[in-house]
Amino acid sequence: DVKVTQSSRYLVKRTGEKVFLECVQDMDHENMFWYRQDPGLGLRLIYFSYDVKMKEKGDIPEGYSVSREKKERFSLILESASTNQTSMYLCASSPQGVATEAFFGQGTRLTVV
Amino acid sequence: AQSVTQLDSHVSVSEGTPVLLRCNYSSSYSPSLFWYVQHPNKGLQLLLKYTSAATLVKGINGFEAEFKKSETSFHLTKPSAHMSDAAEYFCVVSGYSSASKIIFGSGTRLSIRP
Repeated sequence: DVKVTQSSRYLVKRTGEKVFLECVQDMDHENMFWYRQDPGLGLRLIYFSYDVKMKEKGDIPEGYSVSREKKERFSLILESASTNQTSMYLCASSPQGVATEAFFGQGTRLTVV
Repeated sequence: AQSVTQLDSHVSVSEGTPVLLRCNYSSSYSPSLFWYVQHPNKGLQLLLKYTSAATLVKGINGFEAEFKKSETSFHLTKPSAHMSDAAEYFCVVSGYSSASKIIFGSGTRLSIRP
């Protein structure tokens, strides 16, 4: 069974903290993605990676960075957390190929206080 | 650049009546298009996908979608709504290459009246 695992389900952090969200997939997928989901806005792409050490900005990269040192792991980093980064964060992976399905983790609900 | 626009943020239908969720896309190349569903407090599930093999695509749970290039649309339909269809639905576009972004629409919340 395919699996994308996010390290935390719920997280509460203070403003200004550096925050790491971890995502691991066990399907040997080349592509990995980080989204944030907010009511009425759908899922907005923050960053994606199509290979180890490769990354591309999505639609809302400001305030975030990513790291992909190994194929199975994709980390999202909030350099200095702010209250407007309170959101649900979703990680996904997909194999390379046209029209391949993306598989999603269960999400991390991050609250910045 | 690619984008999708879901034309309705909320759709409400009676049980047993047809469902229509509208989606328009923008893409420089022939896109791959998907519909995903998210039930309350659940993860995202793929309903169906268009890959240029056929313009009418059948998915799970009786849903289908028709790709219309001339209208740049990919509307989702179901002949008869069921209470269990109440959920949020996302139209999604991806590009022509294997390293393409996957872009989501803003979502349509489907409510079913008894």
